[in-house]
Amino acid sequence: NAGVTQTPKFRILKIGQSMTLQCTQDMNHNYMYWYRQDPGMGLKLIYYSVGAGITDKGEVPNGYNVSRSTTEDFPLRLELAAPSQTSVYFCASSYSDRDYNEQFFGPGTRLTVL
Amino acid sequence: KNQVEQSPQSLIILEGKNCTLQCNYTVSPFSNLRWYKQDTGRGPVSLTIMTFSENTKSNGRYTATLDADTKQSSLHITASQLSDSASYICVVNRGSTLGRLYFGRGTQLTVWP
Repeated sequence: NAGVTQTPKFRILKIGQSMTLQCTQDMNHNYMYWYRQDPGMGLKLIYYSVGAGITDKGEVPNGYNVSRSTTEDFPLRLELAAPSQTSVYFCASSYSDRDYNEQFFGPGTRLTVL
Repeated sequence: KNQVEQSPQSLIILEGKNCTLQCNYTVSPFSNLRWYKQDTGRGPVSLTIMTFSENTKSNGRYTATLDADTKQSSLHITASQLSDSASYICVVNRGSTLGRLYFGRGTQLTVWP
């Protein structure tokens, strides 16, 4: 049981390039989330999904897109990368969205846009 | 405005000593509060969850307290170990339909031998 896995661990992009951050969970969780963590700041929700085929915007969705074709995978797409997107990106999952359900986090992807 | 403030921002202690981390929040309504531990280069891992009716909860050497009236929580670490070096994040759940979470900036704890 690997939990939540993310690839790549590190990436450097040039301004205007695109990339996809991969996220996979093997816990059969319905809910999945993407967060970004800027230096010295709290995590911010980018997008979330309540199940395959269903996604919705979080607090900071601009510049990102997501898809959820399977229960296991929740990739995050960056189009036209900008320096403001330099951050650490965390994917998380939970069994449900009930108040007391714990979110399990992946190890993160550190992205630098130059 | 819904906010979660943590103090101190960073803390250095010697191995074997105790320490207390603080979390103040203005999030409303309130459902629960979690303390997460985030090791360098890793994702956050939940240490404990506090609900409205709970005052104290322990998880090994970690003891969390909650005062829902003053909207304050603390995380006390007893007999610190080198492995306790990490960022400790306070997360408050509003309990809305979508389980909205509010994250603090974290307290960076360093334990020296």
